[in-house]
Amino acid sequence: DQQVKQNSPSLSVQEGRISILNCDYTNSMFDYFLWYKKYPAEGPTFLISISSIKDKNEDGRFTVFLNKSAKHLSLHIVPSQPGDSAVYFCAASATGTASKLTFGTGTRLQVTL
Amino acid sequence: GAGVSQSPRYKVAKRGQDVALRCDPISGHVSLFWYQQALGQGPEFLTYFQNEAQLDKSGLPSDRFFAERPEGSVSTLKIQRTQQEDSAVYLCASSRGLAGSREYNEQFFGPGTRLTVL
Repeated sequence: DQQVKQNSPSLSVQEGRISILNCDYTNSMFDYFLWYKKYPAEGPTFLISISSIKDKNEDGRFTVFLNKSAKHLSLHIVPSQPGDSAVYFCAASATGTASKLTFGTGTRLQVTL
Repeated sequence: GAGVSQSPRYKVAKRGQDVALRCDPISGHVSLFWYQQALGQGPEFLTYFQNEAQLDKSGLPSDRFFAERPEGSVSTLKIQRTQQEDSAVYLCASSRGLAGSREYNEQFFGPGTRLTVL
């Protein structure tokens, strides 16, 4: 049972435009959410996170939005740059219970010139 | 080094062989995690250490998988009698916080060990 879902395996966006990556979750115990970025042959790199007490967190070009009622979060990248081309993983955890991060299957973002 | 390092980066094993994968976490990081990433999937949790104590091993797929962190720094993931379904990238991550802290959730990953079992 996939508790964290990224339904779009790939996304192509033109340089300078907005990239929107989506993530849905089913476990209502999740209260902390993270986005990781992964380049080939490297480990995932932490990008941005959000606690369930917030609905938005912004860090430079990256903004994460959380809609708890819909169990949905999204990552916005504005403006998109060619160096943003990578696989993006959504992850979730439940504080005080399991110690593990539960990851989605990833979305491959391609930023074209 | 500044980041999490793992060795070897690539490992080819014959079915039935034992393998040992090493992880050097970021110095001072209390928490250490192992994940398994199959092709086209996200990382899946295997086990968690807080210092030398293995607090969660619920993700280990079978008793052929064993992990240790005897001195609270370097960790080894051992797989006995490898099977073809064990082929995957094994990722190690560390974080400076303890379970329940925000810093705990921000995990820093190594480059992984790609294991291929023939």
